[in-house]
Amino acid sequence: NAGVTQTPKFRVLKTGQSMTLLCAQDMNHEYMYWYRQDPGMGLRLIHYSVGEGTTAKGEVPDGYNVSRLKKQNFLLGLESAAPSQTSVYFCASILTGGTEAFFGQGTRLTVV
Amino acid sequence: GDSVTQMEGPVTLSEEAFLTINCTYTATGYPSLFWYVQYPGEGLQLLLKATKADDKGSNKGFEATYRKETTSFHLEKGSVQVSDSAVYFCALVETSYGKLTFGQGTILTVHP
Repeated sequence: NAGVTQTPKFRVLKTGQSMTLLCAQDMNHEYMYWYRQDPGMGLRLIHYSVGEGTTAKGEVPDGYNVSRLKKQNFLLGLESAAPSQTSVYFCASILTGGTEAFFGQGTRLTVV
Repeated sequence: GDSVTQMEGPVTLSEEAFLTINCTYTATGYPSLFWYVQYPGEGLQLLLKATKADDKGSNKGFEATYRKETTSFHLEKGSVQVSDSAVYFCALVETSYGKLTFGQGTILTVHP
């Protein structure tokens, strides 16, 4: 999707390792989100941000931290990865008012 | 809190059949409403959106009307194709605080 870029696209971690996923958007959107999607399940909100310097917890925040130091970037951190965090992670951004909404292509993370 | 409920799937149709996927929502304010589509192995693509009551979103032959009185945003298509086989997600964003909430998704399979 145009304008929302996630890095990396794939990653394998060992239990206990840490990593940071980056979501970058160049559309000047205020709202950004991190979701996880597990096989056969829908999207579960991890954390979200309604503007630079703000973050809020979603449905499944435990084991994750986020930061939004710059408006265009929303970082998702795993301090000590666990096999239960094996999932596909999606980032989304929305323009205030909901008139534009885009997702990144996803990051497939495997924790062994 | 906000919530989105989609009709239970999976939905299996023959090519050229009429499609309806029901979506109802609960929100405290005046949300924007979205339908996203996810093809196998891919990310989410915005299919259509509506930002206020009575708006109709449309794209690629799909339509949905924002019905405030029934709190619904049902997805319809008059004649489905095999290429429409995917998972469809209904979502809302309550624009005063920016949380993006998804329904559980509906798997659509279209047979020739």
